[in-house]
Amino acid sequence: AQSVTQLDSQVPVFEEAPVELRCNYSSSVSVYLFWYVQYPNQGLQLLLKYLSGSTLVKGINGFEAEFNKSQTSFHLRKPSVHISDTAEYFCAVSDALGDFGNEKLTFGTGTRLTIIP
Amino acid sequence: DGGITQSPKYLFRKEGQNVTLSCEQNLNHDAMYWYRQDPGQGLRLIYYSQIVNDFQKGDIAEGYSVSREKKESFPLTVTSAQKNPTAFYLCASNPTGPGLPTPDTEAFFGQGTRLTVV
Repeated sequence: AQSVTQLDSQVPVFEEAPVELRCNYSSSVSVYLFWYVQYPNQGLQLLLKYLSGSTLVKGINGFEAEFNKSQTSFHLRKPSVHISDTAEYFCAVSDALGDFGNEKLTFGTGTRLTIIP
Repeated sequence: DGGITQSPKYLFRKEGQNVTLSCEQNLNHDAMYWYRQDPGQGLRLIYYSQIVNDFQKGDIAEGYSVSREKKESFPLTVTSAQKNPTAFYLCASNPTGPGLPTPDTEAFFGQGTRLTVV
């Protein structure tokens, strides 16, 4: 079984400043990793995912994340945030064994990113 | 356009009543999921189904029931046995199959249903 830890429940950041949202995972097998964004009263939208290959993954809206296997981390970064980035961000993990989709996603508790004008 | 549709967006229920939340997808995905979201707790898996006429309990299945009679549909019933049903419910789907996922394979989420018990 896997688990995901998002250490920061809330992160306030000034507009145009850089941001890093932290995610650590625990698993005894290889994993796929995901970051989702949720705007108020809406579903989740995929920002980016790590499946294999390059450990630096680029996603939508200028976000990127780096998979670090030795530190079991998948931190999300953006060099300059905008007001429109205010949302809740979820890190998720699934086992990378067998057929894709047969292993369900395990989510972290989320990080609320607030951009200060 | 393909996607997942959840209805209704807002739902009110009296205590002791059962209520069914709808989830329909036209993405031709085999796997479908129901999650419950509470403040500060992230998403918790209620039930999931990887094929028609088959489904499995997730982490918090007590007080809920599902059916999967069609590939496109995965309705969730919140029964009177669910002690604290007020929450935001999210439905998701993704394709399944052998081998590594492609860059296009991901879980798609509906817009959610906010259930309030009054």
